[in-house]
Amino acid sequence: DTGVSQDPRHKITKRGQNVTFRCDPISEHNRLYWYRQTLGQGPEFLTYFQNEAQLEKSRLLSDRFSAERPKGSFSTLEIQRTEQGDSAMYLCASSPGGRGDTQYFGPGTRLTVL
Amino acid sequence: DAKTTQPNSMESNEEEPVHLPCNHSTISGTDYIHWYRQLPSQGPEYVIHGLTSNVNNRMASLAIAEDRKSSTLILHRATLRDAAVYYCILRDPEYGNKLVFGAGTILRVKS
Repeated sequence: DTGVSQDPRHKITKRGQNVTFRCDPISEHNRLYWYRQTLGQGPEFLTYFQNEAQLEKSRLLSDRFSAERPKGSFSTLEIQRTEQGDSAMYLCASSPGGRGDTQYFGPGTRLTVL
Repeated sequence: DAKTTQPNSMESNEEEPVHLPCNHSTISGTDYIHWYRQLPSQGPEYVIHGLTSNVNNRMASLAIAEDRKSSTLILHRATLRDAAVYYCILRDPEYGNKLVFGAGTILRVKS
């Protein structure tokens, strides 16, 4: 059981640069989620995939953010023209499917925008 | 999304039971009560969930009030490894799959 993995674990970038994060879900999990967490707060939902289809997006996901899951396996989250307010922990989770199924989280990618 | 209310922080001694409360007075009939926890520098981790009846698993027990307006997560013997933020989340499986986290309860365990 390899669990959910995320890469990189840490990313430091300058304001205005683009960044891309990768999430590898647990094998055969058809649902994949992205959350964002700022210091002292609980995670906030960003978006959700069922296989390769992006089924729900939060209002937090501005047009600078884009997420893909091209083959229904791994997913990428790209942030264009980063801003200091984008500094946060980006968490990925996956779940097997079914009503109210349990989500399994990865360790997160910590983004710092200077 | 129905709201939950949890204390900001709690403290426990090692090897003693811990009762973490959660109020959810606006819970609907189809909302499940989920608990996740987040250890330092890690992603959240599923603990337990229930609908109406009390639930037990290897990690914890969940006691649900008869009117379902509150619940309590019970750690039977706290260890230092249980120090984490504990989140109580209401989830209606008919209305999407996202988790809506509040601020949670910071549990500190003293040795």
